[in-house]
Amino acid sequence: EVQLVESGGVVVRPGGSLRLSCAASGFTFDDYNMHWVRQVPGKRLEWVSLITWSGGGTYYADSVKGRFTISRDNSKNSLYLQMNSLRPDDSALYYCARGGTELALDYWGQGTLVTVSS
Amino acid sequence: DIVMTQSPDSLAVSLGERATINCKSSQSLLYRSNNKNYLAWYQQKPGQPPKLLVYWASTRESGVPDRFTGSGSGTDFTLTISSLQAEDVAVYYCQQYSNTPPWTFGQGTKVEIK
Repeated sequence: EVQLVESGGVVVRPGGSLRLSCAASGFTFDDYNMHWVRQVPGKRLEWVSLITWSGGGTYYADSVKGRFTISRDNSKNSLYLQMNSLRPDDSALYYCARGGTELALDYWGQGTLVTVSS
Repeated sequence: DIVMTQSPDSLAVSLGERATINCKSSQSLLYRSNNKNYLAWYQQKPGQPPKLLVYWASTRESGVPDRFTGSGSGTDFTLTISSLQAEDVAVYYCQQYSNTPPWTFGQGTKVEIK
């Protein structure tokens, strides 16, 4: 069974930093691209970042470019999101999701909540 | 960036009746080279993450009931629930994966029981 479990979400002050983690199991992790997607409760989903299966390619939404860094450790079946210079509008539930072989996001974790507030 | 716009924002349908959700993209999602539309539909129930229902605009994900049908091509797409069940109460999102990054989602359509 495919499982994605996010962790690391906390309350942080504006300008602060945070690293989110996503532990994957139930599939061959290094066969798949991985995404981070965020959602303010009750609002639309917003794609944040993608990392290719090898880690050789990374892509970011304009809203986080230069502040967030996606990475992965295939030996640990883990995905990460380093978030720097956090702003109140970064507050959201952050999901990791698998980029399926048919390109849609076929499995999602339960999410981890990030709150940026003074 | 491709903008995805869904309609309506919400709808209330009686149990057993048909629910229809529309999604319009600001650019064509059809690749002529493989004749595929790069569009997916997701279902998000309260307190849960999104779940993939349909990809390539009309291919049902494994395990998804056949009352869910995706259709459309180019810039106009539809998700139809042929006979609404109580467990179908959710917010439904369309998403394009054609011109990426970024991957973009519609604003969501909330489906409720009338």
